[in-house]
Order: sequence, then C-alpha cells, then structure tokens
Amino acid sequence: KAGVTQTPRYLIKTRGQQVTLSCSPISGHRSVSWYQQTPGQGLQFLFEYFSETQRNKGNFPGRFSGRQFSNSRSEMNVSTLELGDSALYLCASSWDRGGYTFGSGTRLTVV
Amino acid sequence: DQQVKQNSPSLSVQEGRISILNCDYTNSMFDYFLWYKKYPAEGPTFLISISSIKDKNEDGRFTVFLNKSAKHLSLHIVPSQPGDSAVYFCAASDQSGGSNYKLTFGKGTLLTVNP
Repeated sequence: KAGVTQTPRYLIKTRGQQVTLSCSPISGHRSVSWYQQTPGQGLQFLFEYFSETQRNKGNFPGRFSGRQFSNSRSEMNVSTLELGDSALYLCASSWDRGGYTFGSGTRLTVV
Repeated sequence: DQQVKQNSPSLSVQEGRISILNCDYTNSMFDYFLWYKKYPAEGPTFLISISSIKDKNEDGRFTVFLNKSAKHLSLHIVPSQPGDSAVYFCAASDQSGGSNYKLTFGKGTLLTVNP
C-alpha cells in the first residue's frame, strides 16, 4: 500500500510570506502528526490531528497552524515566515498508538 | 527541558561488531518507546519499539532494552552492517492518557559502520 505522501518535497520562500504543506496519510490511518526537524533541535512535535480535530499541540507560535480534511489528508500552514522556520517538515500517520509511519518530508528554505 | 536525551551525537563501529545506541529520559510518564532510523533527505523509518511492561524486545538484528528504574533504554545492533549507517532517533510517548499520539524525540545519534 502507498506510504505517507508529502508535497512539495522542496520549497523556497521569502521572509514574510506564508506557506502551505500537504500530507496524505496511509489509507485507513486517521491520525496525522506534524514534526519540525532542524539540525540543532532534532524532531519537534508541532501538532496532531484525528478525525479533523486537533488533539495535541506542541510549543510553537500561532503562526504554525494545521487542519485535517474528512479524507484524513492534512495541511500545515506557516504564516509570516522567518529565517528560523527553515527546516525539514515531517508528517506521520498512524492507525494506533504504535504504528507511526513518516513521509519523506518537505524541505522548506526561507530566504 | 529535553525529556529524551541521546548523549552521543555520533558512534563509529566496525562491520560485524555490535553497535549500542543509548537513550535517557526524564519523564516518568513515558510508557512507550520507539527507535527510528533516518537517512538524509528521507523521513524516519520505524525500527523497533518497546512498552514499559517489558524490559527487552527483539527483532532480527535489533534488540531494545529498557531499564525503567534508570530511565534508560538502549538499541543493540548485531552484527552491524555498512547499510546500518544512518542517524538513529530514540522517541517516547505517554500513552496512559488514552489518546496521546505525540512522540518526544531525542536529537539523534549518527552511526557509522565501517567496512
């Protein structure tokens, strides 16, 4: 079966712009989580959605938001981009507590 | 406050020998632990997990040990192969609440297996 698909793979944006990243989970998975990976901080939890509801949220500013659609696909939005937002953004889907499968990520560069 | 710590940023071992990657945690509510392997430009790949009701879990060449009293877990790879060279992340979650899918990750250990 298809894995977790994230689009686009690479993005270059300018400071102050906004960006939307997309994640299509594995079929049947209802939980979608987002993580930010940076060289200094490792993988940090952004938020988790289940059945279109945000269930958990990490310690990120309100510029970071997300949503989940009825087909479990999820989008993440970052507004007013800052240089420090440059990172690899990873999406993971799960059908239970242990089955986390990650996508290949979206590499965002803010210039 | 870093709740999951991987104190060794890198580890180098010879092919065929044992690789031991360590992870410490501070949150006593963590009850489920996972190891992921990550290659550059790819997402993390799940390797093995362990619940806090166990102290050992084995899957082929990979074994994870959990010492709850020390809040310490380790991943053993035997024998190590050059293809195992990657960054290894330890992750933990508190699943006692019933619906917590949040993973807390360590910063990773770069394993290099030399031929």
